Amino acid sequence: AQKITQTQPGMFVQEKEAVTLDCTYDTSDPSYGLFWYKQPSSGEMIFLIYQGSYDQQNATEGRYSLNFQKARKSANLVISASQLGDSAMYFCAMRELSGSARQLTFGSGTQLTVLP
Amino acid sequence: NAGVTQTPKFRVLKTGQSMTLLCAQDMNHEYMYWYRQDPGMGLRLIHYSVGEGTTAKGEVPDGYNVSRLKKQNFLLGLESAAPSQTSVYFCASSYRDRGPTRDYGYTFGSGTRLTVV
Repeated sequence: AQKITQTQPGMFVQEKEAVTLDCTYDTSDPSYGLFWYKQPSSGEMIFLIYQGSYDQQNATEGRYSLNFQKARKSANLVISASQLGDSAMYFCAMRELSGSARQLTFGSGTQLTVLP
Repeated sequence: NAGVTQTPKFRVLKTGQSMTLLCAQDMNHEYMYWYRQDPGMGLRLIHYSVGEGTTAKGEVPDGYNVSRLKKQNFLLGLESAAPSQTSVYFCASSYRDRGPTRDYGYTFGSGTRLTVV
């Protein structure tokens, strides 16, 4: 079974508008972390934001916020005031903290294109 | 600060050839990982290591071998390359314990683009 599901292969957003990238996850571990990474066309993986399963508040990092709905097992990324430089592939990932190797499981990604 | 360095960055192999991808990290991380990235499939874990001299299989280990003789290095080997192994390979590393700092997941290398013809 897929542990991380990103149902939007591609998304378009107008510059300066907000956009939400969807991510749902599946785990029976009560302790886990959720991550979003950005991969621009140059190929490197860039960490954006982290949410712990016990964190009471939604994580925010500048223009990025994570809409964490624990009961629904969703961890959507919200990018406010989109910029042309936000055009990239975005990956959601999960780390189950009871695991011994701290490995991340990734979703299939969402290609975001910001239109001028 | 180099972080995680992967070599080579690009490689073209013929079917049946062998090669080794090298990953080196200078952050004293205990854990290291090899992933492959394919279109529409995200990153999938090939093998990982939780310490010097130890390795374990991930989600897609077939056709690959790994070794971690030194803490800072993690090698990924393809003994007999196949076209299905055409992919972008990422190495990553992580601390064993998060400690008081914010968790950022992994430190990634810049990737190796491998084409098998």
